Amino acid sequence: SQKIEQNSEALNIQEGKTATLTCNYTNYSPAYLQWYRQDPGRGPVFLLLIRENEKEKRKERLKVTFDTTLKQSLFHITASQPADSATYLCALEVSGGYNKLIFGAGTRLAVHP
Amino acid sequence: GAVVSQHPSRVICKSGTSVKIECRSLDFQATTMFWYRQFPKQSLMLMATSNEGSKATYEQGVEKDKFLINHASLTLSTLTVTSAHPEDSSFYICSAAGGAAEQFFGPGTRLTVL
Repeated sequence: SQKIEQNSEALNIQEGKTATLTCNYTNYSPAYLQWYRQDPGRGPVFLLLIRENEKEKRKERLKVTFDTTLKQSLFHITASQPADSATYLCALEVSGGYNKLIFGAGTRLAVHP
Repeated sequence: GAVVSQHPSRVICKSGTSVKIECRSLDFQATTMFWYRQFPKQSLMLMATSNEGSKATYEQGVEKDKFLINHASLTLSTLTVTSAHPEDSSFYICSAAGGAAEQFFGPGTRLTVL
């Protein structure tokens, strides 16, 4: 069955450093992959989408890579700030239409001053 | 990004009662709306997909008679949890899509069934 894995352990980094989060998937060939941010008690907020034919996507301090051979996406936040502290979710499109997504469990990022 | 609202944000009810949750897309027409459930420290689990004017498509293991979904217009979808029990206590989140791949999520509804 389709499976998405994100590091369940929290990632603690120092302010100003680059945070790198990993999303791995198996038994799957998604047309695109998305990253969302979720704060406690809130709904997710869309950050970036990367398609299977794209290797890298950037938006301000965010960068996403997509390696369909390794079945892995990396999510980078450069010059991290305490305000970046949140849970980051990886989501993959489910084939079959209607833009259905399946989500990973998320990785909690804590940026310390 | 687009704005999606949910009401209520928090509800506490007695076991056996029904609870209705509204999801509205405020500034765009949502061709598709999705309902998710999220337990603490777990991933969002898709419950159902609804398109305006048609019956919702439920994911495997989700009881359609217990979780009634109505998508009456391009800006409104409702989820009714019927005969709620304590095990239905969860964080319910809706999202809306306007045809593009990204989904815009509501702020979520915390349901507590006593």
